[in-house]
Amino acid sequence: KAGVTQTPRYLIKTRGQQVTLSCSPISGHRSVSWYQQTPGQGLQFLFEYFSETQRNKGNFPGRFSGRQFSNSRSEMNVSTLELGDSALYLCASSLSTSNTEAFFGQGTRLTVV
Amino acid sequence: AQSVTQPDIHITVSEGASLELRCNYSYGATPYLFWYVQSPGQGLQLLLKYFSGDTLVQGIKGFEAEFKRSQSSFNLRKPSVHWSDAAEYFCAAIYTGTASKLTFGTGTRLQVTL
Repeated sequence: KAGVTQTPRYLIKTRGQQVTLSCSPISGHRSVSWYQQTPGQGLQFLFEYFSETQRNKGNFPGRFSGRQFSNSRSEMNVSTLELGDSALYLCASSLSTSNTEAFFGQGTRLTVV
Repeated sequence: AQSVTQPDIHITVSEGASLELRCNYSYGATPYLFWYVQSPGQGLQLLLKYFSGDTLVQGIKGFEAEFKRSQSSFNLRKPSVHWSDAAEYFCAAIYTGTASKLTFGTGTRLQVTL
C-alpha cells in the first residue's frame, strides 16, 4: 500500500511570494496533519484536517493556511513568505482524528531566499 | 504547559553497545506516548507507541520503551545498537483534548561508532 506522498520534495521561493504544498494520505486515511520542522524550533504542529474540516490549529500566523479535499488530499499554503519560513514541512495521515497512529511523508523542503 | 523533554541532544555509542534515550512528559493525565526515528532528509517513522496497559512496549527494529508513571518518563532502549541505527530520535505525546496533535521533544541525535 502506498505511503504518504508529499509534493514537491524541494522548493526554492523568494521572500514575499506564496507557496502551496500538497499531501496525499494513505488510501483510506481521512485525517491529515501538517508539521513544520526547523533546527531552531523543532517539530511544531500547524493544523489538522478531517473530512474537509479543520479540527485543530497550532500557533502559527494567518499566513499559514490549509484545506482538505473530498478525496482526503490536503494542501497547505503559505503567503507572503519570510526567510524564517524555510523549513521541512511534514504531512502525516491517520485513519481518523481518534486514531492516533500517524504515518509521515518524506516532507517538502522549502527554502526562502 | 503540555511538553515533552528529551534531555540529551546528542549521544554517541559504540556498535553493539546498549542504548537508552530519555524522554519525560509533562501534564497530569498520562498522554499517549510515541517514539519516532528520522534519518537525514527523511520523514518520521514510528518505532513504538504506548496507550495503556503493559508498561513495557516492543517496537520495530528491536527497540523497546518503558513507561514509568512515577517518573513521567518513557525511555527508549535497545540492547545492541547497529550502525544503521544512527539517526535522530523523537519522543512525542498526544495529550487529552488535542485530537491527534503530536507534541514533540527536541530530539536526540544518535551517533554510532564502529
